Formats: sequence, structure tokens, C-alpha cells
Amino acid sequence: AQTVTQSQPEMSVQEAETVTLSCTYDTSENNYYLFWYKQPPSRQMILVIRQEAYKQQNATENRFSVNFQKAAKSFSLKISDSQLGDTAMYFCAFMDAPNSGNTPLVFGKGTRLSVIA
Amino acid sequence: ETGVTQTPRHLVMGMTNKKSLKCEQHLGHNAMYWYKQSAKKPLELMFVYNFKEQTENNSVPSRFSPECPNSSHLFLHLHTLQPEDSALYLCASSQDSGAAGPYEQYFGPGTRLTVT
Repeated sequence: AQTVTQSQPEMSVQEAETVTLSCTYDTSENNYYLFWYKQPPSRQMILVIRQEAYKQQNATENRFSVNFQKAAKSFSLKISDSQLGDTAMYFCAFMDAPNSGNTPLVFGKGTRLSVIA
Repeated sequence: ETGVTQTPRHLVMGMTNKKSLKCEQHLGHNAMYWYKQSAKKPLELMFVYNFKEQTENNSVPSRFSPECPNSSHLFLHLHTLQPEDSALYLCASSQDSGAAGPYEQYFGPGTRLTVT
């Protein structure tokens, strides 16, 4: 079974600084997808960024980028120019590539990020 | 309303009560999910429905009973729960993946359940 590990339960960063959240995963599959989800204090979970394992290029979405190291099974999230609105729980998630239908997301325990003014 | 909605947002129930959680998605998706989020634990997938058919039951106790009458609505019926079932219950929806790769799951705000 796949597992996702987020080794940093809590982190803090000064506003406008850069922070990196770590995530490692374990799988024997070659084709899969990785995600970072954000859950602000209001609780609605939203997708931040996704990465397909077959793509070598790291995904970027504005201030959010990932460092995907397939051999090391590492998928870290970098947030540049941190803003107060980035304060949230961040979950790393793994999804096996389905042959058909949907396969479930496997989540890590999350990292609570606080952006300090 | 848009997105994924869940009602009620908060629920307190005794162990002998029967209650239901409701989820509705307004996104035209055909897959819906129930997740359980407990403190200090990863989100746990409970059930998956594709085109109203249950495709995943992640060894969930029978005191949780899902119902999916159509692609837009998902219920979680609760009866004789235990205090350890207290958690945030999240609903999500997505398009069916197929060969195009997985589609993003959109989450509702959750129902905070407390079992006394």
C-alpha cells in the first residue's frame, strides 16, 4: 500500500519569505500523480498544485512550485513571497494512475503553516 | 450555490441517535467521496461512488451507511456511533478519471461531528 509522509507537523515563515514543505511517499508503481492541498482555517480543502510522475519538469502555479525527485520519492512544496492568506494546513497526497475509473487519494498527516506578519 | 456543500456544518449526537450527513455538488461531476479527518491522523477515505455506484468501501464499520441517489447528492447515515467517531467528515466530488488522468477533487467545508 502507498504511504505519504509529511515529517513537519508545524512550520512558520515570515511574510514575504520563502518556505519549503517536505513530503515523501512510498510506492512500487511507476505511473502516478502527486498533489498538494491547502486547508485554511475555514476548512474548505482546495488543490494547490499537481504533478504527473511521468513529467520531469516540476510543476509551478504562481508563487507555488514543487521539487519532484522521483528516484528519491520526494515531492516538496515551495511557497515564495509568503502571504498571510497562505496560513493553512497543507496536505501532500498521492494517487495511483487508474486504468479506469477513479483511484483514491492517499494523504499525509499534514503540515500546519503559519505566516507571521 | 456553487461547488460542494455539506449540511449540517456541526452535529452533536448521542451514541443511540440516528442522523444523516448530506453532501451536494453543483459541478456536474459523476464521482463523489466521503473522507474522515481526525486530529493528528491523515485523511481517511471512507467511500467512493462513481455514477451512483459504490466502487470503494475502505473497511468502514457498518454503523456508517452511505447513500448516493444521484450523481449530485451523497448521504452518510449514522447510527449507534462511538465517541471515537467524532471527527470532521469531508465530502468531495470529481469527474471520473478515465484515460485522461485524474481530475481534481473538490471538497466541501465538512461536517464537524461530535459523538457524546
